[in-house]
Amino acid sequence: GAVVSQHPSRVICKSGTSVKIECRSLDFQATTMFWYRQFPKQSLMLMATSNEGSKATYEQGVEKDKFLINHASLTLSTLTVTSAHPEDSSFYICSARISGNTIYFGEGSWLTVV
Amino acid sequence: KQEVTQIPAALSVPEGENLVLNCSFTDSAIYNLQWFRQDPGKGLTSLLLIQSSQREQTSGRLNASLDKSSGRSTLYIAASQPGDSATYLCAVNYSGAGSYQLTFGKGTKLSVIP
Repeated sequence: GAVVSQHPSRVICKSGTSVKIECRSLDFQATTMFWYRQFPKQSLMLMATSNEGSKATYEQGVEKDKFLINHASLTLSTLTVTSAHPEDSSFYICSARISGNTIYFGEGSWLTVV
Repeated sequence: KQEVTQIPAALSVPEGENLVLNCSFTDSAIYNLQWFRQDPGKGLTSLLLIQSSQREQTSGRLNASLDKSSGRSTLYIAASQPGDSATYLCAVNYSGAGSYQLTFGKGTKLSVIP
């Protein structure tokens, strides 16, 4: 079974609204989680690194005020897309690092902004 | 800027055939390289992880090689099966231990024809 759970798997929202995606580590604590975005026929691109109890580290070009990341506990990180636009429509996927080289990816979330 | 390239973008083979997927990266100063499998609309499943000090890793019908000096890795799949049909992603960790940020290629979409 999955060790990292993402919810929702698919979401449609109206332009201008906000949508939250959750990433949960099951049966383990993840001090570090990562959020990626994948546009059609493109690579997965790292958006930000989420550390429990501290501010996320965003990659260059990713607007931290638009993509709000909260890692309030050792098993949950959330990504909130604020004031969503159609160009934010994408596949968002998280990963959680247990220790060393061991990481697990969630199943991803398809966001469509209409 | 580090880049990861995967060739071919798509590959179709008859069942039972052996095949090789290619991955190249621009900076040889990597910490490790990982091959993933992604099924449509699904998350990523880690297949093989090669540390920078290793030359290959094997798991069942899969064999991954790493040549840091030439910036290349290959994923060899023996006796392909229809269930192997998926997109295969190559990802490189440039950031070193404790970071685990991955740079992904665009993937190779494999179709194994029964």
